[in-house]
Amino acid sequence: EDQVTQSPEALRLQEGESSSLNCSYTVSGLRGLFWYRQDPGKGPEFLFTLYSAGEEKEKERLKATLTKKESFLHITAPKPEDSATYLCAVQPNLSGGYQKVTFGTGTKLQVIP
Amino acid sequence: DSGVTQTPKHLITATGQRVTLRCSPRSGDLSVYWYQQSLDQGLQFLIQYYNGEERAKGNILERFSAQQFPDLHSELNLSSLELGDSALYFCASSVGARTEAFFGQGTRLTVV
Repeated sequence: EDQVTQSPEALRLQEGESSSLNCSYTVSGLRGLFWYRQDPGKGPEFLFTLYSAGEEKEKERLKATLTKKESFLHITAPKPEDSATYLCAVQPNLSGGYQKVTFGTGTKLQVIP
Repeated sequence: DSGVTQTPKHLITATGQRVTLRCSPRSGDLSVYWYQQSLDQGLQFLIQYYNGEERAKGNILERFSAQQFPDLHSELNLSSLELGDSALYFCASSVGARTEAFFGQGTRLTVV
């Protein structure tokens, strides 16, 4: 069964203090790894899709990277508005268009002014 | 705004009742997914439809059912509700069956 483990569960940063969130995964052939941001009581907001080891994607202060066993979400000089729960999810590479995405439980990030 | 619309936003109902949650996907998206998110748990995949056909089932209870209509909107029916069914229910949609999904704002269901 596919598994996604995110660490740390919670992270508190001072504004401007860069850090990384980790997503370790086990999947029977990876088709895609997704990062989402979720604010309390809201739906997850899509950030990135990574497909193969070595791939990197950036958006503003966020940069996602992928290896064969884990992904990192690097946050550079975070601002209070970056406070949210960040979710990682994996999609297996199965035939027939079957898609069962497995989500991790997330890292709750708090950025203090 | 993701373009995925869910109604209602909030729902309070009694145990044993039946409710229907509605989802309109983004324009052009053929796949619709339903997820449940409880306080102590992450996003739990319930079911996926692609162009009107069921494609994948997750941990969906027998008391729950869903369908996707010809106009591609979807409904999730929850019956014989229990206190433990209280949760946020999210709908998501994607262009294909194997691409990133975009989520609606959810329906918060409270069973009393």
